[in-house]
Amino acid sequence: AQKITQTQPGMFVQEKEAVTLDCTYDTSDPSYGLFWYKQPSSGEMIFLIYQGSYDQQNATEGRYSLNFQKARKSANLVISASQLGDSAMYFCAMREYRGSTLGRLYFGRGTQLTVWP
Amino acid sequence: EAQVTQNPRYLITVTGKKLTVTCSQNMNHEYMSWYRQDPGLGLRQIYYSMNVEVTDKGDVPEGYKVSRKEKRNFPLILESPSPNQTSLYFCASSKQGIHYEQYFGPGTRLTVT
Repeated sequence: AQKITQTQPGMFVQEKEAVTLDCTYDTSDPSYGLFWYKQPSSGEMIFLIYQGSYDQQNATEGRYSLNFQKARKSANLVISASQLGDSAMYFCAMREYRGSTLGRLYFGRGTQLTVWP
Repeated sequence: EAQVTQNPRYLITVTGKKLTVTCSQNMNHEYMSWYRQDPGLGLRQIYYSMNVEVTDKGDVPEGYKVSRKEKRNFPLILESPSPNQTSLYFCASSKQGIHYEQYFGPGTRLTVT
């Protein structure tokens, strides 16, 4: 079974609108970290936001927020007021705390976001 | 400047010719890792290292070797490359622990003919 599932291969949003990129995860470990990365067409990987499994509040970083629903095992990325420069591939990732998978970082397959004027 | 460097950035080679992709970080990170990125498959982990002389397999280790003799360096070795190893490769490093994001190198685009 996949550890990280991103069900939206592509998403389109108009400039200045908000958009939600979906991510669900699978783990039995009570302690884990969730990450979102952005990959523009130039190819580099850019860290956006982090949410810990014990964090009580949803993480926010500027226009990015993470809608963390622990019981549903979802960690959706919300981008408010989209900009043309937000057009990129977005990856959700998870890091577990213990056992044989300590140190592993699992990535989803990504969502290609296109922002149009 | 804190960074992860990879060399070469682009490489075209032939089947069976051994090659090494170097990776170096200057942040004193314990954890280093190699990923390959293929269209529609996201990033898949090849190998990772929790510290010097400690390495472990990721999801797709076949056909690759790694070593971690120094904390800053984590080279990826393809002993006998094949066309199915044509891919975009990323090296990454981080502090140890679930809270820390990984810092990625710029990527190496490898083509095996």
